[in-house]
Amino acid sequence: QVQLKESGPGLVQPSQTLSLTCTVSGFSLTSYNVHWVRQPPGKGLEWMGRMRYNGDTSYNSALKSRLSISRDTSKNQVFLKMNSLQTDDTGTYYCTRAGYFDYWGQGVMVTVSS
Amino acid sequence: DIQMTQSPSSMSASLGDRVTITCQASQDIGNNLIWFQQKPGKSPRPMIYYATNLANGVPSRFSGSRSGSDYSLTISSLESEDMADYHCLQYKQYPLTFGSGTKLEIK
Repeated sequence: QVQLKESGPGLVQPSQTLSLTCTVSGFSLTSYNVHWVRQPPGKGLEWMGRMRYNGDTSYNSALKSRLSISRDTSKNQVFLKMNSLQTDDTGTYYCTRAGYFDYWGQGVMVTVSS
Repeated sequence: DIQMTQSPSSMSASLGDRVTITCQASQDIGNNLIWFQQKPGKSPRPMIYYATNLANGVPSRFSGSRSGSDYSLTISSLESEDMADYHCLQYKQYPLTFGSGTKLEIK
């Protein structure tokens, strides 16, 4: 069945780089788009960016200068890297599959703190 | 970027009430809108896609509608399990944008 799972460090120091991995199963990254969405504690959802099935990417305008999304199709993995982290980057980070965003990972909580 | 203005930010309603949550789009998005339900500690769950289509397994008391640039999610008769946060998402144009969310509480 379709599954997505985020992994990465729970704690990142300010000004450092966040690296997250979304490992997928049950579908091919060359057939579906995968998106990253984040949610600060107690707040709403924010769309971050997308890895298209053909390898193209799109990014949130406000994050574009700090964000990079890539993939390794042989490992069924999509990667998120975001630099210059600040405390307001704290939150839960999700990967989700398009179609209609019907499959989501469980999310990974990232805390930015020294 | 397309702005999605969601209202109300929070609301409280009684069991059996009819509840409506609205998102207004700043530009034409056609019917390219999804409504999500999110319960505490859980990932979002799509409830309505393409503005009016019920997602798989969603109870029929949920419905979606559109009037011009205003999109609504309606629960016809509120049940206790509907207590959750609700979010709209436009997927007409990149960058995709969410509404600010609505917290629905039961009185």
